[in-house]
Amino acid sequence: NAGVMQNPRHLVRRRGQEARLRCSPMKGHSHVYWYRQLPEEGLKFMVYLQKENIIDESGMPKERFSAEFPKEGPSILRIQQVVRGDSAAYFCASSGGGASYNEQFFGPGTRLTVL
Amino acid sequence: SQQGEEDPQALSIQEGENATMNCSYKTSINNLQWYRQNSGRGLVHLILIRSNEREKHSGRLRVTLDTSKKSSSLLITASRAADTASYFCATYGSGSRLTFGEGTQLTVNP
Repeated sequence: NAGVMQNPRHLVRRRGQEARLRCSPMKGHSHVYWYRQLPEEGLKFMVYLQKENIIDESGMPKERFSAEFPKEGPSILRIQQVVRGDSAAYFCASSGGGASYNEQFFGPGTRLTVL
Repeated sequence: SQQGEEDPQALSIQEGENATMNCSYKTSINNLQWYRQNSGRGLVHLILIRSNEREKHSGRLRVTLDTSKKSSSLLITASRAADTASYFCATYGSGSRLTFGEGTQLTVNP
C-alpha cells in the first residue's frame, strides 16, 4: 500500500516561472493538506482540500498560489511567477477524514528552489 | 510566540542517555502529535495523544500531556545515534489543520 506520493522531489525554477507540485494521497484517502516549510522552521498550514472542494485556504498567500484536488488525478499546488522567497519544502499530507483526531500521513515533500 | 512551541531548540546528548523535549501550545486541542524529520526528508509520525489522555508509550518513546498547563513532553529513552533528527509537536484543534512548532534539533553523539 503506497504512502503519500509527491512529485517532483526537487524542482528548480527561475524567478517568474510557474511551479506545479503534485500530490497523490494514500489509497482510500479523500482529504489532502498542503504545508510549507521554510529552512530551519516548522511546517505551516497552507490549504485543506477534499475532492473538487477547497475546505480551508486560510494559510494560502492571497496572490500567485492556487490549489486543486480534481475528481480524478492528484492534487496540484500551483505557484505562478515564483520569487526567491517561495524557495521552501512543500509537504502534502492525506487523511481519511471523519473525526478530527484522524492522523495525517505525510509525503516526502517537494523541495522548490527559485534561482 | 506560536502554537506548538518546542523547548529546547537544540539538544545534544550521548548515546544511551535519555532525551526530553517539551512543547507548549495556546488554544484548546483535540489531540497532540509528535513527528520526526531527518535532515532533508519528510515527516514520520511518532505518536498521537488525545486530550483526555495523560501519558502514552510506544517503544522507547513516552509522551505526556498536561492540558491544564497546555504542555506536552516527549521522552526518548536509551537514545541511539539514529535518533538524531528534528522533532516537532503538532496540535490538532478545531478545523482539520495541524499546527506545528518550530522543532527541537536532537543530536545523539556515538
